[in-house]
Amino acid sequence: AQSVTQLDSQVPVFEEAPVELRCNYSSSVSVYLFWYVQYPNQGLQLLLKYLSGSTLVESINGFEAEFNKSQTSFHLRKPSVHISDTAEYFCAVSVTSGNTPLVFGKGTRLSVIA
Amino acid sequence: DAGVIQSPRHEVTEMGQEVTLRCKPISGHDYLFWYRQTMMRGLELLIYFNNNVPIDDSGMPEDRFSAKMPNASFSTLKIQPSEPRDSAVYFCASSFQGIVDTQYFGPGTRLTVL
Repeated sequence: AQSVTQLDSQVPVFEEAPVELRCNYSSSVSVYLFWYVQYPNQGLQLLLKYLSGSTLVESINGFEAEFNKSQTSFHLRKPSVHISDTAEYFCAVSVTSGNTPLVFGKGTRLSVIA
Repeated sequence: DAGVIQSPRHEVTEMGQEVTLRCKPISGHDYLFWYRQTMMRGLELLIYFNNNVPIDDSGMPEDRFSAKMPNASFSTLKIQPSEPRDSAVYFCASSFQGIVDTQYFGPGTRLTVL
């Protein structure tokens, strides 16, 4: 079975600084990878996903993530964060074969400090 | 579209009582998911439906939990009897084309069992 590890439970960062949220997965077969974001008192929203093709995927609000098969990673990055990026970020994985539901990581709480 | 609608938003009940959580998915979405979120265990998939049929309920913790989807626009998650360890935020999500398609989450129901 697949699993996801988000190594950092909390990441504080100053406004306009870069940030990287780490995600590693474990799977013996090919995977799809996702990042979801949860703003306070809301449900999760899809931020970006990797299904196939280019290993670098981008979101509309400046985040990007790169699928690295050899390192089994899908780290999320943003070159300059804003206060509004304060939220909890969840990495998720699913295998490409069969109807296998997503498995979510425990989440990383990003706090942007003014 | 109003998005995924969940009710109630907050529920406080006493141990042993029956609890019913409700969800209205986005119109036209064929998949519906119920998740539970706790600090200790993170986000866990409880059950998901495809075209109103339960596909995978392996995440349902025990017989006290049951879920139904009588039609394409309504689903319930019932806990009977409730216990303090059931206290969590319960999310409903729906997707259009499959389990790895973008999932749209509702705002959640915060359940407190005293």
